[in-house]
Amino acid sequence: GAVVSQHPSWVICKSGTSVKIECRSLDFQATTMFWYRQFPKQSLMLMATSNEGSKATYEQGVEKDKFLINHASLTLSTLTVTSAHPEDSSFYICSARDRRGPTEAFFGQGTRLTVV
Amino acid sequence: QKEVEQDPGPLSVPEGAIVSLNCTYSNSAFQYFMWYRQYSRKGPELLMYTYSSGNKEDGRFTAQVDKSSKYISLFIRDSQPSDSATYLCAMNTGFQKLVFGTGTRLLVSP
Repeated sequence: GAVVSQHPSWVICKSGTSVKIECRSLDFQATTMFWYRQFPKQSLMLMATSNEGSKATYEQGVEKDKFLINHASLTLSTLTVTSAHPEDSSFYICSARDRRGPTEAFFGQGTRLTVV
Repeated sequence: QKEVEQDPGPLSVPEGAIVSLNCTYSNSAFQYFMWYRQYSRKGPELLMYTYSSGNKEDGRFTAQVDKSSKYISLFIRDSQPSDSATYLCAMNTGFQKLVFGTGTRLLVSP
């Protein structure tokens, strides 16, 4: 299947700092990328949908000023957690949809964020 | 009522057993159905993708979709300890966001 690379796989940061997570589609062009958050033993919670060249669409209850999403190219989207707090500690996962394909999405390996 | 219902498990089976994982859904407009496998602390991996009703087979995995009953299944034959993971069903109407089930945790014991 298609490959989506997410970096870093884990990060620890101090409260009040910002963290950037990258999501790259390695062997296909992705017009749409999705960002999820996952709490332990729970399913994926969609945070936002990122379309190349346009503003991201955020799900209800997700602060767009806190979770900044940039999708500047067909192979790269970034999520920046600004002014991180301990409650932002979670597992963040991106997925990408091939511009040619139907609807299945391919996921990155996830980023475990710990804010101390 | 959730759009997609999935039993969270855990489902425990011995090695070699046939595993049946299921999801029900309420939105009759769903056309695309996927099964993902997620190991602990990893991103989901796409296992099976099916459009509309019918069966699809890939090695030990078989996906079934019954749109009349709004019911989808994933069967795993000759289950292995390495199949122990959480299995997520997902679906959508087309080029829209995926709607996920809660995931079923599967444990295959040697």
